[in-house]
Amino acid sequence: DAGITQSPRHKVTETGTPVTLRCHQTENHRYMYWYRQDPGHGLRLIHYSYGVKDTDKGEVSDGYSVSRSKTEDFLLTLESATSSQTSVYFCAISVTGGGNSPLHFGNGTRLTVT
Amino acid sequence: AQSVTQLGSHVSVSEGALVLLRCNYSSSVPPYLFWYVQYPNQGLQLLLKYTSAATLVKGINGFEAEFKKSETSFHLTKPSAHMSDAAEYFCAVRKEETSGSRLTFGEGTQLTVNP
Repeated sequence: DAGITQSPRHKVTETGTPVTLRCHQTENHRYMYWYRQDPGHGLRLIHYSYGVKDTDKGEVSDGYSVSRSKTEDFLLTLESATSSQTSVYFCAISVTGGGNSPLHFGNGTRLTVT
Repeated sequence: AQSVTQLGSHVSVSEGALVLLRCNYSSSVPPYLFWYVQYPNQGLQLLLKYTSAATLVKGINGFEAEFKKSETSFHLTKPSAHMSDAAEYFCAVRKEETSGSRLTFGEGTQLTVNP
């Protein structure tokens, strides 16, 4: 158990509404990531953080924003949800974020946008 | 851009048979390579990682992978499949040593184990 908690685990929301997903870690790791998983695409990086208030975009960042005000929490916000954002979202953490340092994943949040 | 290709989105084997899941990477320098497994409704779990200390890497649950630079491959194998191995498997690659360098995942291979 990597000490990662994602909330909520499931959410159904309507198009156009804002949604915030939370990732909480107990490991005090510096690097945190948000990925989305879709059939046929594997996992794609949305945003990542390399410290408090330090974040950067991934390959599919459009329509998403993130915030990290504390080491342990990394929030992903969909400002105005669209059906294309229906997906499973995974948070991950890493000790160094480079080299052969692996990612450790949470159990995911299944988001459905109707 | 750094990428990985997993050949075969679905692989089916009989219980007790050899498991072979294929992963090829594109890189001009030796990359950092990983295999992950995902069971239904769970997150990804690290199976093994290539560290350059040895080309044959042993992981959990009896899996191993061999790094072949000449073939740019990092295929995952297990001598004898078990029903509990049924899951989705992802190969991932990171090119850089530097912190913040990105981990890129393949599209995944769904392994089915038949009794």
